[in-house]
This record gives sequence, structure tokens and C-alpha cells, in this order.
Amino acid sequence: NAGVMQNPRHLVRRRGQEARLRCSPMKGHSHVYWYRQLPEEGLKFMVYLQKENIIDESGMPKERFSAEFPKEGPSILRIQQVVRGDSAAYFCASSPLGENSGNTIYFGEGSWLTVV
Amino acid sequence: GESVGLHLPTLSVQEGDNSIINCAYSNSASDYFIWYKQESGKGPQFIIDIRSNMDKRQGQRVTVLLNKTVKHLSLQIAATQPGDSAVYFCAEKGDNFNKFYFGSGTKLNVKP
Repeated sequence: NAGVMQNPRHLVRRRGQEARLRCSPMKGHSHVYWYRQLPEEGLKFMVYLQKENIIDESGMPKERFSAEFPKEGPSILRIQQVVRGDSAAYFCASSPLGENSGNTIYFGEGSWLTVV
Repeated sequence: GESVGLHLPTLSVQEGDNSIINCAYSNSASDYFIWYKQESGKGPQFIIDIRSNMDKRQGQRVTVLLNKTVKHLSLQIAATQPGDSAVYFCAEKGDNFNKFYFGSGTKLNVKP
């Protein structure tokens, strides 16, 4: 049973470039979450998506960040015109259900973005 | 929003001893909590969870205790091993959907 798959694991971008991070949820999971982690800090919620639908994006910065989870293919977190402050680890998680029932979410191994 | 905090940022224990990692949460309405273990360069790994209708849950070498009166959560690791060295996070389910709030983590160092 494959877990949550993220790629790339490591990404280096120059300031002003775009970063695209991909996440394939666990088999049977239809809900995806993106979290950001700065060094020595906890994980901060960014966005929660179902297929073709953004449920909660309250943790997403208003500009330059966007996320999608299309009907086919992985979820993508897109960061436009990256700045050094975007350097962080971005974790994707998935769960089988997203209703307010308290379901465990399982994380991928993360994508480490470095902006130079 | 909710906040989840940890009392001890770093904990050092001797191999074979028991470890206790604490966590405080602020939302008394939270009904589901998870402990995660994160090793360097890796993603958070599920350890154990507990719902608010319970005050204790045991797994293999781990026990989670929930005290709703003081909004406190703890993770007990029995016979700590070097492989237990990692950062441990407690996560609290928020009011909406399945969004979780994480504390800043406790780093556990196991001395051989």
C-alpha cells in the first residue's frame, strides 16, 4: 500500500521563479491537505482540498500561492514569484474522509523548497 | 484560532527509561487528538490518537493520556530506545472539517 507520495523531494528555485509541488494521496483517500513547516517549528495548515474543490484555504497566503486537486492526477501546490521567505518544507497529507468526524491524516515525506 | 503548545521544547532521557512528553491545548471543544513523530528530513509519522470521550489509550510502548479538565495531553513512551529520538508533535483537530493544529514540537534525545 503506497503512502502519500510527494515530489520533488528537494527543489531549488531562484527568486522570482515558480515552484510546483505535487502530491498523490494514499489509495482510497479523496482528501488532501497541505502544511508548511519552517525549521525548528511546527506544521502550519495551508489548504484542504477535495477533488476539484477547495474546502478551506484559510492558511494560504493571499498572493502568489495556489492549490488544486484535479479530477485526474495529483494535487499541486503552486508558488509564483518565489521569495527567500518561501523556503520551507511543504508537507501533504491525505485522509479517506474530510467530514467533521475526526479522521487521521497521513503525511508524505515532504518537499523541501530552497529559494536562492 | 486554536493553539496547541508544548511545555518542554527538548527532553533528554537515558536509554531504557520512560519518557513523558506534554502538550497543552486551548480549545475545550476539540474532540480528537493525534501524536506524531518526525525524524530529521522526514514527514510526520502517526503514533497514536485519542478521542475526547476517552482519557487513556495504549499502543505498543506508547500511552496517550487526555485530561480535558485542564486541557492537557501527554505521550508516554516506555523503555525509550535510541530509535525514539525525534521531534514529537501533538495535533488537535479544529472545529472545521479535518484541519489539525500543531504545536511547535518537543525534541526527544535518547542517550545510550
